[in-house]
Amino acid sequence: EPEVTQTPSHQVTQMGQEVILRCVPISNHLYFYWYRQILGQKVEFLVSFYNNEISEKSEIFDDQFSVERPDGSNFTLKIRSTKLEDSAMYFCASNPGLGEKLFFGSGTQLSVL
Amino acid sequence: QKEVEQNSGPLSVPEGAIASLNCTYSDRVSQSFFWYRQYSGKSPELIMSIYSNGDKEDGRFTAQLNKASQYVSLLIRDSQPSDSATYLCAVKERTEYGNKLVFGAGTILRVKS
Repeated sequence: EPEVTQTPSHQVTQMGQEVILRCVPISNHLYFYWYRQILGQKVEFLVSFYNNEISEKSEIFDDQFSVERPDGSNFTLKIRSTKLEDSAMYFCASNPGLGEKLFFGSGTQLSVL
Repeated sequence: QKEVEQNSGPLSVPEGAIASLNCTYSDRVSQSFFWYRQYSGKSPELIMSIYSNGDKEDGRFTAQLNKASQYVSLLIRDSQPSDSATYLCAVKERTEYGNKLVFGAGTILRVKS
C-alpha cells in the first residue's frame, strides 16, 4: 500500500529556533493535512491544504506556523520560533478526495528544549 | 467546539473475549465516524468507518452507530494480545474543503493472554 513519508522521525531543537518538518504525501492525493499529538493527549487538527492554499486552520495554527508545497511532491510545516509547548508528535496526512480514507504518515517527534 | 468523548480506560479483557469501546460526540449534524487504532509512538491506523445508523462488520470488528443518541461503538470479537492499543474515535467535522477530523482522547485496551 502507498505510504505518506515524513522526515525526520525525530527532531530536537532549542526554544526560539525554526524547524521545518517534511512530508511526501501519496502521489495522486489532493488534500493534505497536519495534525499533532502532545504526549498523552488527543490528536489535534492543525491545518488542511488544497489546491496550493490553506483551506482550513485551527486556532493552534497561529502566525508561528506556515505550510508550503514547494514542489509537486513535498509538503512542509514550518514553525518559526519554537516554544516548549510545541513539543509533540506531528503527523502529516493526505487523501485523494473529500470523504476518502485519510492516510497518516509515521510522524515526526519534535522535542523543544 | 465540537467534542468527542471516550472513556480513557484502560479496558482489560481476557484473550478471546469481546472488547466493547464507546464514544459520544457533540455535533448533531455529523455524518461520518471512524475508529482508529494507535500503538504507542505510532500513527493512527484506520480500522473502521461508519456513516449510517446500525451495525457495520469487518472481520472481528463491528462498528455501531446511533445518531439519535450521538453514540458510536466498536466491538472487537475474539480479542487478541495484538489488539492491545489505544483506540481513537474520530468524527468528521462538516467543512467545505476537507476531511477535518475531531478525535477523542482514546481508550486504552489491554488484552491479557
